[in-house]
Amino acid sequence: DTEVTQTPKHLVMGMTNKKSLKCEQHMGHRAMYWYKQKAKKPPELMFVYSYEKLSINESVPSRFSPECPNSSLLNLHLHALQPEDSALYLCASSQGVGRNTGELFFGEGSRLTVL
Amino acid sequence: GENVEQHPSTLSVQEGDSAVIKCTYSDSASNYFPWYKQELGKRPQLIIDIRSNVGEKKDQRIAVTLNKTAKHFSLHITETQPEDSAVYFCAATTSGGSYIPTFGRGTSLIVHP
Repeated sequence: DTEVTQTPKHLVMGMTNKKSLKCEQHMGHRAMYWYKQKAKKPPELMFVYSYEKLSINESVPSRFSPECPNSSLLNLHLHALQPEDSALYLCASSQGVGRNTGELFFGEGSRLTVL
Repeated sequence: GENVEQHPSTLSVQEGDSAVIKCTYSDSASNYFPWYKQELGKRPQLIIDIRSNVGEKKDQRIAVTLNKTAKHFSLHITETQPEDSAVYFCAATTSGGSYIPTFGRGTSLIVHP
């Protein structure tokens, strides 16, 4: 299995809702990432987990809460989002960490619309 | 931190022509330079990468060149085909930092049949 799987593919939520995005990889990769991508823009790093521990938080608002239950799973909990948070949320993984990071394997993304 | 500039933002070519996308980076400590292709509605996927100890790398119709002195690297696609139409992102990873790639703004390549 060489894929990163994300669910749901599409999500519409109101500003008072609580929802979660899920990501799974079974490649034995040691690092997992959340990116946010707006239309016609590059992916923007949000969080990095290395060996299941949060190693990077790119000053993301607390309404986004990441969680890494185990080495294969990564969640992004969403609460009290704003319409400007509407975007494609990409999960990625890499076999290595640090200087051995190498290739990022991306999931297909979860397209989030906040009403 | 690292800053990656990518040009052009849009590139339109005829099928069979060559396409060149250029990127510059700011941190001389950067040592890994991947290129990702993102088709419309799809995930970004690595198409080729190069490390700082190599000046050029080829994979069939795709090649990447690196000039460490000038701090720029380029993607070359020969004999373009309509299926090459996509957004291409260059990236640079700094050895002295977090090792997370910094992406360029992307180039939308359109190959006309």
